[in-house]
Amino acid sequence: GAVVSQHPSWVICKSGTSVKIECRSLDFQATTMFWYRQFPKQSLMLMATSNEGSKATYEQGVEKDKFLINHASLTLSTLTVTSAHPEDSSFYICSARPRTSGVYEQYFGPGTRLTVT
Amino acid sequence: AQSVTQLGSHVSVSEGALVLLRCNYSSSVPPYLFWYVQYPNQGLQLLLKYTSAATLVKGINGFEAEFKKSETSFHLTKPSAHMSDAAEYFCAVEGADMRFGAGTRLTVKP
Repeated sequence: GAVVSQHPSWVICKSGTSVKIECRSLDFQATTMFWYRQFPKQSLMLMATSNEGSKATYEQGVEKDKFLINHASLTLSTLTVTSAHPEDSSFYICSARPRTSGVYEQYFGPGTRLTVT
Repeated sequence: AQSVTQLGSHVSVSEGALVLLRCNYSSSVPPYLFWYVQYPNQGLQLLLKYTSAATLVKGINGFEAEFKKSETSFHLTKPSAHMSDAAEYFCAVEGADMRFGAGTRLTVKP
């Protein structure tokens, strides 16, 4: 149980285009989903927190107009990187917190490798 | 704000030797603490978690960690390293959201 999927697992796009990454909780409902970015040989940095049906909360320094987050349902959140540039190339990981979790807990997706050429 | 600090960005051990990965936390409230492992180009796999129950927590793959409030530590150990343990390890603290340490790369020498 508690499986989180991400799609695609890797994507290559041209500079200036937009790319959408999906994060799904497959066997549970998630009130909250988180998006992280991980540069090579570095730790995970929280980008934003999204709650179903409300606007995402972005961490300081993360451009909300560039990284659009939509949490349309209790099982799906999407991250759209708009007008991507090579510096946006990174490993993007989402996580989901179960709706019924009595303990703070998150389940992580397998990540999406974005390469912008 | 809650945070964790991992001491040592790289640890190298011989196969069969003790593994010790250090993590210290900072929290004004009793923390929830986690250890994750990440293999190249993969997501995070939960090794174990501390949620204010037993201070010695046993996880998967023979790993365990001990919560020591007096030392604000949550170090990860494994008695005998295996080649397959080579990976990146992250300590994390959970509050309103999860904050990760910088990570420790474990290398296992044959």
